[in-house]
Amino acid sequence: EAGVVQSPRYKIIEKKQPVAFWCNPISGHNTLYWYLQNLGQGPELLIRYENEEAVDDSQLPKDRFSAERLKGVDSTLKIQPAELGDSAVYLCASSSKTSSGELFFGEGSRLTVL
Amino acid sequence: GQNIDQPTEMTATEGAIVQINCTYQTSGFNGLFWYQQHAGEAPTFLSYNVLDGLEEKGRFSSFLSRSKGYSYLLLKELQMKDSASYLCAALIKAAGNKLTFGGGTRVLVKP
Repeated sequence: EAGVVQSPRYKIIEKKQPVAFWCNPISGHNTLYWYLQNLGQGPELLIRYENEEAVDDSQLPKDRFSAERLKGVDSTLKIQPAELGDSAVYLCASSSKTSSGELFFGEGSRLTVL
Repeated sequence: GQNIDQPTEMTATEGAIVQINCTYQTSGFNGLFWYQQHAGEAPTFLSYNVLDGLEEKGRFSSFLSRSKGYSYLLLKELQMKDSASYLCAALIKAAGNKLTFGGGTRVLVKP
């Protein structure tokens, strides 16, 4: 069974440019998460989806960040415009109702803003 | 709010035992996860405790005390490949299940 797939793995952009990350969760997982992880720190939740509905986006900086999961399967996270402080790893994870809350993570998209 | 604390870094010798402590203050607590994360890789599941007590899984064990808001991960017979970050995460029952992570403990295993 394929795991959570994310792309791109690495992205280098200049500040004020837009960037987008894509995530395809494990088949059948209805819950999808986007986390931000700074170097040497734990992941911080940005947004959580139950199917196509964003049920928790309280930590998403909505002035520059947006996300969508239109058909309740794959998801896109966008930053526009990017700032230097956005340099981090963006992790996508998914879970199912039967997994007792266990999250399955993708390998992440490492963003460097110059 | 939610608060999860764990040490930043620990060093141990190959073959030894290391215990990583985690304390949490959360509302709606519904269980405690431990994840392992090697540098540059995705976090991977190690253990899940929802009831008080010790869960043993090979060289790794995890303990939970809900009344004390305390958990630990015990790594026995340390191997060099155990050098990684270990993330403590509390499952919060809020609009479904939400996993909130601590800052992670970087464990360095020396020969």
